[in-house]
Amino acid sequence: AQTVTQSQPEMSVQEAETVTLSCTYDTSESDYYLFWYKQPPSRQMILVIRQEAYKQQNATENRFSVNFQKAAKSFSLKISDSQLGDAAMYFCAYRSPYNNNDMRFGAGTRLTVKP
Amino acid sequence: DAGITQSPRHKVTETGTPVTLRCHQTENHRYMYWYRQDPGHGLRLIHYSYGVKDTDKGEVSDGYSVSRSKTEDFLLTLESATSSQTSVYFCAISEGRLFTYEQYFGPGTRLTVT
Repeated sequence: AQTVTQSQPEMSVQEAETVTLSCTYDTSESDYYLFWYKQPPSRQMILVIRQEAYKQQNATENRFSVNFQKAAKSFSLKISDSQLGDAAMYFCAYRSPYNNNDMRFGAGTRLTVKP
Repeated sequence: DAGITQSPRHKVTETGTPVTLRCHQTENHRYMYWYRQDPGHGLRLIHYSYGVKDTDKGEVSDGYSVSRSKTEDFLLTLESATSSQTSVYFCAISEGRLFTYEQYFGPGTRLTVT
């Protein structure tokens, strides 16, 4: 089964600065989807960004971008111009195309934004 | 926001009692999921449904059962709650089978088993 590892339990960043959250995964599949979800104190899970493994171009959504390194099985999230509202738990997730229901999550990284 | 509600939002129960959590959607999505969230584990799939009366087990299904008698409702039952089932439970929905479809999550239910 695929595993997702987030090696940074906690990270902090100064407001307006840039921070990168790390995620690695283990899979033998060649095609898959990767996601970053944000979970603020409200507990709501919010999709931040997604990446299709067959696409070489890194996904970008406003201040959020990813660095997808398929050979290294790495999928990091970069948050630029950090804002206080970015403070949350961030989860990396892997979804297999061969099993609609096999979505694996990492343990999460808690991001603190300092004013 | 996707129309997903969960009830109750908080519950405290005693060991050995049955507990049912409800997930209700207004999106008419075919797929529904139950996850549990625990520190250090992220979210783990308990059970999922791919249609009315069609359900299957996920990664951590022991001690849980589910039912789906209507498209909009997906129930998670703990037949005899144990302290290890203290967790935050999330329901999610998905439009289709293709992995391109993202999952939308409900607000979560915090369950404490004493």
